[in-house]
Amino acid sequence: SQKIEQNSEALNIQEGKTATLTCNYTNYSPAYLQWYRQDPGRGPVFLLLIRENEKEKRKERLKVTFDTTLKQSLFHITASQPADSATYLCALDMRNTDKLIFGTGTRLQVFP
Amino acid sequence: GAVVSQHPSRVICKSGTSVKIECRSLDFQATTMFWYRQFPKQSLMLMATSNEGSKATYEQGVEKDKFLINHASLTLSTLTVTSAHPEDSSFYICSASGLAGDTQYFGPGTRLTVL
Repeated sequence: SQKIEQNSEALNIQEGKTATLTCNYTNYSPAYLQWYRQDPGRGPVFLLLIRENEKEKRKERLKVTFDTTLKQSLFHITASQPADSATYLCALDMRNTDKLIFGTGTRLQVFP
Repeated sequence: GAVVSQHPSRVICKSGTSVKIECRSLDFQATTMFWYRQFPKQSLMLMATSNEGSKATYEQGVEKDKFLINHASLTLSTLTVTSAHPEDSSFYICSASGLAGDTQYFGPGTRLTVL
């Protein structure tokens, strides 16, 4: 069955540094992968979508890479700020459906 | 754009009662809506997928008679938890996608507590 792993349950970094979060998957070949941000007690907020034929995508301070050979996506936040503190979820599509499978998330804490 | 609302945001009920949760897409027509459940420190687990005017498709292990889903219009889907029990206490989140189908936009979630 499909399995999605996000590198660590929690990541603590200092303000101004680049945060790098990892999403690895097995037994699957998604057509696209998405990253979401979730704050405590709130629903996820869509950040970026990257397709299988794309290597990298950027949006402001965010960058996502997608390596279908390694079956891995990296999510970078440059010049991190305390306001970036949240849980970040990666999600894979299930081909030929509209369904998403979510990873367990990485809780990012950016301290001043 | 792409705003999804849920109501209520939190509800506390007694065991054995039924609870209805509404999910609305406010500024777009949602051809498909999804219902998820999230337990503390766990990820989102898909419960069911619904398309407007059709019966919902439930994931394996989700009781369709317990979690009734109605998707009567392109902007509204409801989830009714029937005869709720304490183990049904969870964070229920809906999402909606439009014609593009790729991106799901999530509601703020509903915290259900069954006493």
